[in-house]
Amino acid sequence: LAKTTQPISMDSYEGQEVNITCSHNNIATNDYITWYQQFPSQGPRFIIQGYKTKVTNEVASLFIPADRKSSTLSLPRVSLSDTAVYYCLVGEQGSQGNLIFGKGTKLSVKP
Amino acid sequence: NAGVMQNPRHLVRRRGQEARLRCSPMKGHSHVYWYRQLPEEGLKFMVYLQKENIIDESGMPKERFSAEFPKEGPSILRIQQVVRGDSAAYFCASSSTGYQPQHFGDGTRLSIL
Repeated sequence: LAKTTQPISMDSYEGQEVNITCSHNNIATNDYITWYQQFPSQGPRFIIQGYKTKVTNEVASLFIPADRKSSTLSLPRVSLSDTAVYYCLVGEQGSQGNLIFGKGTKLSVKP
Repeated sequence: NAGVMQNPRHLVRRRGQEARLRCSPMKGHSHVYWYRQLPEEGLKFMVYLQKENIIDESGMPKERFSAEFPKEGPSILRIQQVVRGDSAAYFCASSSTGYQPQHFGDGTRLSIL
């Protein structure tokens, strides 16, 4: 399973767009990129998953360049409630259980 | 995190006692996963079960820890003879197949006195 590297923390203000980049230089052909969000005292919540190019849902967008060695989670117009830890995971779709979480990126949104 | 139910939310045990953590997956999900999270750390995979079968237990400590997912009822993570180092948040997740995103419960916070 590919290792991922992401910033430890990021600060933003309400209403701004936030982009969190994740590096995964050793991503394999069958690997998907998945992002989870975790609030204090709660379990991780699935945000988005993609394989290549761009994926968008009602919550976020995921941009994946052609070489797939990195990906960027984009959160449009963040609010205070988006303050959380964001995890980037790389592995086969569903990864048959063994999701590998790093330390994630702690996003702080300020008023 | 509605759907995956874990209980209790908080559990306090004394060293040497047994801890039983329960997880009811989302309706229709037959795949269950257990993870452990220490403060300021990411989740660490422990075990993956599919109704009555252990699929992958590569993250489970060799001793004192066991997991089951019976045909009827919740999945159980059992820790025997708990020690201080077992203090952590234990999360359960479920999915409809092994290839779908996992949905997590809100965890059980285990404290060992």
